[in-house]
Amino acid sequence: KNQVEQSPQSLIILEGKNCTLQCNYTVSPFSNLRWYKQDTGRGPVSLTIMTFSENTKSNGRYTATLDADTKQSSLHITASQLSDSASYICVVSPSTSGTYKYIFGTGTRLKVLA
Amino acid sequence: EPEVTQTPSHQVTQMGQEVILRCVPISNHLYFYWYRQILGQKVEFLVSFYNNEISEKSEIFDDQFSVERPDGSNFTLKIRSTKLEDSAMYFCATRDRGFLNTEAFFGQGTRLTVV
Repeated sequence: KNQVEQSPQSLIILEGKNCTLQCNYTVSPFSNLRWYKQDTGRGPVSLTIMTFSENTKSNGRYTATLDADTKQSSLHITASQLSDSASYICVVSPSTSGTYKYIFGTGTRLKVLA
Repeated sequence: EPEVTQTPSHQVTQMGQEVILRCVPISNHLYFYWYRQILGQKVEFLVSFYNNEISEKSEIFDDQFSVERPDGSNFTLKIRSTKLEDSAMYFCATRDRGFLNTEAFFGQGTRLTVV
């Protein structure tokens, strides 16, 4: 069954610190992997998109990595800010013909404290 | 920056009533999706829509659900007879091209509360 699991479930860090969030998936074959940021009660906002052939993608203080062999991805946040407090969701798109849906992970709830 | 707009932002309805959730896609987008997120759970795929027909739907999307694009702009999700377990945030997402690697933009969501 296609699944996307994330860890940790929640994380608390101090402002200015770095952190790394993990994503493991069983979706195969897959077309791309995305990281989204979701503020409470809001829609997900895209941070990065990586195809199966890419290893890393950066967007400002966010850097995503992908290991398609081990089916793992990570999102590294550098110099965290209070506004980074949100849920971070790993999303995988299967490459099965005729499907365009996204499979969402369980999310990591990040809290940045002053 | 263009955005996907959803209305209403919050809908409270009695069990058994019909509700229609509305989405205005980004203007040149052709692919449309509905997702839902039950409180505290992950986002789940409901249905995808292209060229005025459903291209894929999940097990959740049963006969109580329907989608349409009645006027060529708004994209709607109808729940015919709501149940308590339909209470969730419903997100519309749209995309402009068929390639899977293109960006999908999500709306702010409609919070549906069934009482």
